[in-house]
Amino acid sequence: EVQLVESGGGLVQPGGSMRLACAASGFTFSSYAMSWVRQAPGRGLEWVSAITGRGDSTSSADSVKGRFTMSRDNSNDALYLQMNSLRPEDSAIYFCAQGSSAWYNLNGEYFQSWGQGTPVTVSS
Amino acid sequence: DIQMTQSPSSLSASVGDRVTITCRASQSISTNLNWYQQKPGKAPKLLIYVASRLQSGAPSRFSGSGSGTDFTLTISSLQPEDFATYYCQQSYDTPRTFGQGTKVEIK
Repeated sequence: EVQLVESGGGLVQPGGSMRLACAASGFTFSSYAMSWVRQAPGRGLEWVSAITGRGDSTSSADSVKGRFTMSRDNSNDALYLQMNSLRPEDSAIYFCAQGSSAWYNLNGEYFQSWGQGTPVTVSS
Repeated sequence: DIQMTQSPSSLSASVGDRVTITCRASQSISTNLNWYQQKPGKAPKLLIYVASRLQSGAPSRFSGSGSGTDFTLTISSLQPEDFATYYCQQSYDTPRTFGQGTKVEIK
């Protein structure tokens, strides 16, 4: 059974930093691209960032480009999101999601499994 | 970026009703369209991928259709566990974008 468990969320001041983690199990982690998707309170889903299965390429939404960095450790089946220069509008539940292939930018890709999410609140 | 627009934003329906949700893309995306169901306080769950393929484990009362810019998610006979919010998402281009969601409520 696929399991994705996020951690690292909490309260941070504007301008601060936070590192989210996602522990994966139940599948061959390095064979799949992974993404972070967030959901602000009462709002819809927003794709944040993605990384290939090998970890050699990433892509990010314009809203976080230059501030958030995604990485992975395939030896430990772990995914990370380093968030710097945080803003109140970054407050959301952050989900990690398993792609359907090793590449995040293929046509037809989909998010086949999701973690339960970790909440991030940016406030003074 | 490709904009995804769902309609309606919300609907009220009764158990046993046939429900249709529409998703429109701002440009042609072929059949690169996925549907997710999200219940309050839970993670989204994949229902349909590449417009019409039913995800393993998803009930057969869910179906998807469409190509190009116009897509439909149909629930053939609404069940109590189907009351949730549904999102479409395009996988034609990066950034991946979602519709704003359609909340299905009990009438």
